[in-house]
Amino acid sequence: AQSVAQPEDQVNVAEGNPLTVKCTYSVSGNPYLFWYVQYPNRGLQFLLKYITGDNLVKGSYGFEAEFNKSQTSFHLKKPSALVSDSALYFCAVRSLYQTGANNLFFGTGTRLTVIP
Amino acid sequence: AAGVIQSPRHLIKEKRETATLKCYPIPRHDTVYWYQQGPGQDPQFLISFYEKMQSDKGSIPDRFSAQQFSDYHSELNMSSLELGDSALYFCASSLYSPLNEQFFGPGTRLTVL
Repeated sequence: AQSVAQPEDQVNVAEGNPLTVKCTYSVSGNPYLFWYVQYPNRGLQFLLKYITGDNLVKGSYGFEAEFNKSQTSFHLKKPSALVSDSALYFCAVRSLYQTGANNLFFGTGTRLTVIP
Repeated sequence: AAGVIQSPRHLIKEKRETATLKCYPIPRHDTVYWYQQGPGQDPQFLISFYEKMQSDKGSIPDRFSAQQFSDYHSELNMSSLELGDSALYFCASSLYSPLNEQFFGPGTRLTVL
């Protein structure tokens, strides 16, 4: 079965500091990994994805994520946090080798608060 | 750029009533997904359609059904509504491939009283 874990419900970081939102996954076969952000009363917005290739993936709004196969992790990072980055962040996974290959399995979400 | 459109944005129903949610995917996207997000929960996959055929099924209750029409829009029909059905329902669309990201609509907030 596919699963995603986001070990931190809440992450607080000061504006201008680097931020990390953690994600680990479990999947059979090659993982396809995604990060989405959700602002209050809004839909999920796609940030970035890892399919294959370079382990460091760059996405929207200055976010990047590092794929680590040995640690089965896909942590979201940003060098300098903005107050406007405060939102709910979801990591998601899908695998080609399991039923429901096209739907996303989401983590429980991490609420990021950037403190001015 | 065109986005996924969902209607209505808000819906209030009583227990045992029915509800129909509509989703209009991004033009040329051939796959539609439905997710349910309860309060404080992560989105849970319900069902998806590719080229008007059901492609995958998740945790969709038997009281719910869905279909995709010839113009690729999709409808989620919910009957015998229960209090626990109160949630945010998202539709997402993509081009069919596990490599492609899904684009989400703004959601329909269903409240069952």
